[in-house]
Amino acid sequence: GQQLNQSPQSMFIQEGEDVSMNCTSSSIFNTWLWYKQEPGEGPVLLIALYKAGELTSNGRLTAQFGITRKDSFLNISASIPSDVGIYFCAGVSNSNYQLIWGAGTKLIIKP
Amino acid sequence: DAGVIQSPRHEVTEMGQEVTLRCKPISGHNSLFWYRQTMMRGLELLIYFNNNVPIDDSGMPEDRFSAKMPNASFSTLKIQPSEPRDSAVYFCASSGPPVGYNEQFFGPGTRLTVL
Repeated sequence: GQQLNQSPQSMFIQEGEDVSMNCTSSSIFNTWLWYKQEPGEGPVLLIALYKAGELTSNGRLTAQFGITRKDSFLNISASIPSDVGIYFCAGVSNSNYQLIWGAGTKLIIKP
Repeated sequence: DAGVIQSPRHEVTEMGQEVTLRCKPISGHNSLFWYRQTMMRGLELLIYFNNNVPIDDSGMPEDRFSAKMPNASFSTLKIQPSEPRDSAVYFCASSGPPVGYNEQFFGPGTRLTVL
């Protein structure tokens, strides 16, 4: 079945650093979504990407839909304490409503 | 606007008891999803409704699980009888106009513990 490889699994960074994470797939997707989940809450949609090559920003967050349609990345610039959480990528293939989820990237900011 | 509403937020029950989880999707959304999240398996799609009709229930683990959507603003997920291995966080999500149906919006979840 379809799988997403999300990396890194976790990140330990200093406040102010930039963050980069990515997802790759063996299959083509027509939509890439990035979510953030904080403890005790549901995933919150950060960015949705619909076109190959699309680059979209949401504040300090920037995400790109890979040209091959098999990958996507998320960057966070100048991280702050409230960025802590687990970031998930999710992809949707043609004519299929089902989200295929990455395993998540846990972001931890060193005090 | 209110997001997806789930109740209860926490449920602790004993093995064999019936559990009912409730969800109110975002007004105007016509798709509703029930997920289960565990450390071991991550997020798993249990069932998907479109316009109140179950479209895909292949993710429902066993006959002990059932879901209904009697109208556009309410859905339930029932486990009867519950077992300890059902312990997990259950999420409801909805999608629909005006954004694309791929963009799913999640509720806060119900943390279920079966003793």
